[in-house]
Amino acid sequence: GDSVTQTEGLVTLTEGLPVMLNCTYQTIYSNPFLFWYVHYLNESPRLLLKSSTDNKRTEHQGFHATLHKSSSSFHLQKSSAQLSDSALYYCALRNTGANTGKLTFGHGTILRVHP
Amino acid sequence: EAAVTQSPRNKVTVTGGNVTLSCRQTNSHNYMYWYRQDTGHGLRLIHYSYGAGNLQIGDVPDGYKATRTTQEDFFLLLELASPSQTSLYFCASRKGQNYAEQFFGPGTRLTVL
Repeated sequence: GDSVTQTEGLVTLTEGLPVMLNCTYQTIYSNPFLFWYVHYLNESPRLLLKSSTDNKRTEHQGFHATLHKSSSSFHLQKSSAQLSDSALYYCALRNTGANTGKLTFGHGTILRVHP
Repeated sequence: EAAVTQSPRNKVTVTGGNVTLSCRQTNSHNYMYWYRQDTGHGLRLIHYSYGAGNLQIGDVPDGYKATRTTQEDFFLLLELASPSQTSLYFCASRKGQNYAEQFFGPGTRLTVL
């Protein structure tokens, strides 16, 4: 079945340093949709980025990601981390071929930014 | 902004207890989902539905039932709660299109003693 693998556990960064959260996926289908969701403490998870276009950079709120089908990756990046970026980040996969309405989520990566 | 509400927000029950978690969306979304969130496991899909009366099995369905009574309402039932079901539960909804995002509710924290 489908699977999503993210940077494990906790990533701790100093404010101002670049952010890179890894996401790779496995699927038998050729047209995946990839999503990044962010979950701030005491809030609901919400969509940060999404893409279905190979090799096209997508950006939102200072974050960016590029879907690379050749390497099955959709890494999340930001040039300079802010304290307010501290949150739990999920990468998720949706397949057009499966038509199940399901998203497959990774285990999540906690990003903690300190001064 | 799509609205998804959940009730109760917090619930404590005992082992063997009967619990119903409620979710309502007023966005005319086709799909609704129940997830549980646990440290080290992330969001795991319990059940989902693509319309009133429909139910699909998710990835971790054991010990859970669900029912979609209307377009708006989706319920998660734990008929014999166990401590392993202590978790944070999220409901979500989305439109039917492939690229549509999921909108999450505020979550229900369930503790089974």
